[in-house]
Amino acid sequence: EVQLVESGGGLVQPGGSLRLSCAASGFTVSSNYMSWVRQAPGKGLEWVSVIYSGGSTYYADSVKGRFTISRDNSKNTLYLQMNSLRAEDTAVYYCARVARAFGHAFDIWGQGTMVTVSS
Amino acid sequence: DIVMTQSPDSLAVSLGERATINCKSSQSVLYSSNNKNYLAWYQQKPGQPPKLLIYWASTRESGVPDRFSGSGSGTDFTLTISSLQAEDVAVYYCQQYYSTPLFTFGPGTKVDIK
Repeated sequence: EVQLVESGGGLVQPGGSLRLSCAASGFTVSSNYMSWVRQAPGKGLEWVSVIYSGGSTYYADSVKGRFTISRDNSKNTLYLQMNSLRAEDTAVYYCARVARAFGHAFDIWGQGTMVTVSS
Repeated sequence: DIVMTQSPDSLAVSLGERATINCKSSQSVLYSSNNKNYLAWYQQKPGQPPKLLIYWASTRESGVPDRFSGSGSGTDFTLTISSLQAEDVAVYYCQQYYSTPLFTFGPGTKVDIK
């Protein structure tokens, strides 16, 4: 079965760091474009970052310089390293597969992991 | 950056009736080289992740009921639910992927039962 499972969320103080993980099954992370999308409580979806199969990475302006997307091919896992966290980073973070066959629509989503930035 | 807007913010429709959601992009998402609109629609039910419904503006994802249809081109798009069912209560988002790798979602439209 094709699925994504996120982990690593939790409560962190402003200025702190957290690393999210997204374990994939049923397909190979390194052969696909993979993305992170977040959703603040009661709000809409905000694209955060993408990593291409070739390794290129891109970020939304709101997280550029603070967040780093990466992957571990041996573990078939996607990561999001989040540094210098702010209250406005509080959100559910979803990982998603970017379906190049559909243009670049996001066809597979994880269940999400909650990140709360608060003192 | 391409900005996506949706209307209405919310709507309530009787069971079996039609629901129509509009999405507008600040610039065309029609790629001239392949004549495809780089736009997708997602459904998000409470407590669940988004689910891809439609891509290329009008192509239903596998397994999506045919009461869901997408239309439009360029900057103006519509998601139609032809006969609303109870399980369709959700928030619906449009997304452009024309400006890949910078993706943009619309603010969402909440659909309820009247």
